[in-house]
Amino acid sequence: GESVGLHLPTLSVQEGDNSIINCAYSNSASDYFIWYKQESGKGPQFIIDIRSNMDKRQGQRVTVLLNKTVKHLSLQIAATQPGDSAVYFCAEKGGDAGNMLTFGGGTRLMVKP
Amino acid sequence: NAGVTQTPKFRVLKTGQSMTLLCAQDMNHEYMYWYRQDPGMGLRLIHYSVGEGTTAKGEVPDGYNVSRLKKQNFLLGLESAAPSQTSVYFCASSYSGESGTQYFGPGTRLLVL
Repeated sequence: GESVGLHLPTLSVQEGDNSIINCAYSNSASDYFIWYKQESGKGPQFIIDIRSNMDKRQGQRVTVLLNKTVKHLSLQIAATQPGDSAVYFCAEKGGDAGNMLTFGGGTRLMVKP
Repeated sequence: NAGVTQTPKFRVLKTGQSMTLLCAQDMNHEYMYWYRQDPGMGLRLIHYSVGEGTTAKGEVPDGYNVSRLKKQNFLLGLESAAPSQTSVYFCASSYSGESGTQYFGPGTRLLVL
């Protein structure tokens, strides 16, 4: 079946550097994508979302890029801070799943001081 | 405004025992969800509800039952717990199915021996 997945399970970056977390999706019918952050022992927290009619969306220190041609989603975090250390999940909505979210496996971001 | 709360936070069960996990939200959201999260994996949808009195199966519903008697509460039941149900359970809610922004609770860690 179609699924959402991530290229890198663990990403280690130096404090102050920019981070890029990638996600591949295979459901071309998906029309909405979300990034969640999950800190240890907590539930996922919404970061940013993007609809399929856009290719870029910016938030505070975060940017999501969507490339529908190659079915690729990325989350960019500027000036990464120790508080950004967490597991990041991408999720998609649409297609066979209807209004339900399908989550990827997650990438752990480790920020070195 | 507490958001989404879950009780209990942690529970140990013996195989065959039953229990109910409680989720409550104070945001007047129509949609509520139950997910399970296993080590190194993303969230998988167990059951969900699109409104008071309605429930539907998600991706992994077997072994679980749910009830939505009140809009603010969503209960997840395990009638006869199995070791394969050892997991972290997250409840979430959203204003509607069209909006992908789901707000998550802190999770319930369940260990079935």
